[in-house]
Amino acid sequence: QQQVKQSPQSLIVQKGGISIINCAYENTAFDYFPWYQQFPGKGPALLIAIRPDVSEKKEGRFTISFNKSAKQFSLHIMDSQPGDSATYFCAASIGETSGSRLTFGEGTQLTVNP
Amino acid sequence: ETGVTQTPRHLVMGMTNKKSLKCEQHLGHNAMYWYKQSAKKPLELMFVYNFKEQTENNSVPSRFSPECPNSSHLFLHLHTLQPEDSALYLCASSQVAGLEQYFGPGTRLTVT
Repeated sequence: QQQVKQSPQSLIVQKGGISIINCAYENTAFDYFPWYQQFPGKGPALLIAIRPDVSEKKEGRFTISFNKSAKQFSLHIMDSQPGDSATYFCAASIGETSGSRLTFGEGTQLTVNP
Repeated sequence: ETGVTQTPRHLVMGMTNKKSLKCEQHLGHNAMYWYKQSAKKPLELMFVYNFKEQTENNSVPSRFSPECPNSSHLFLHLHTLQPEDSALYLCASSQVAGLEQYFGPGTRLTVT
């Protein structure tokens, strides 16, 4: 049972363009939505995260847009750079009790062409 | 680079072998996790330890046996594995009451 669905599976963007990755969740109890970035040979690293009390969060070139009624959230990478080429995972979890139980999406492999 | 290290980075083992994966975190966290990462699939949570006590086992086959001797170290003992167990095994840590997990680089396991 896949509780977090991510799309697209792969994405190719030209340098300077906007990369958009979408996720949809089913469990309305989720209240923490992080995005992780993973480079080859490395473990995932937290990129940016949002709580459902806000509709948007921006950190540098990375923005999360959150639509609670639609149960969807997305990652926007502005001015995409070749160094952004990586696999991106959305995730969701419930609260802060007994450690976080992250449910991950399938991942999106982003390639930014120079 | 994260404060979570994993050894070995690569492991090839036969189906009858016994091996162990090691994870160490230097972040002062008190929760540790094992994940399995297979191609084109979401990361699968395997085990969770809070303050050295196992709090979650996501229906993982008994051929995977975790051990957490203290809050800084986590092991995954492997025996009689199957080829479909070939994957990247990731260790992560966090505060028990925290949301952010820090991942190690993983161990690439190949079962022949």
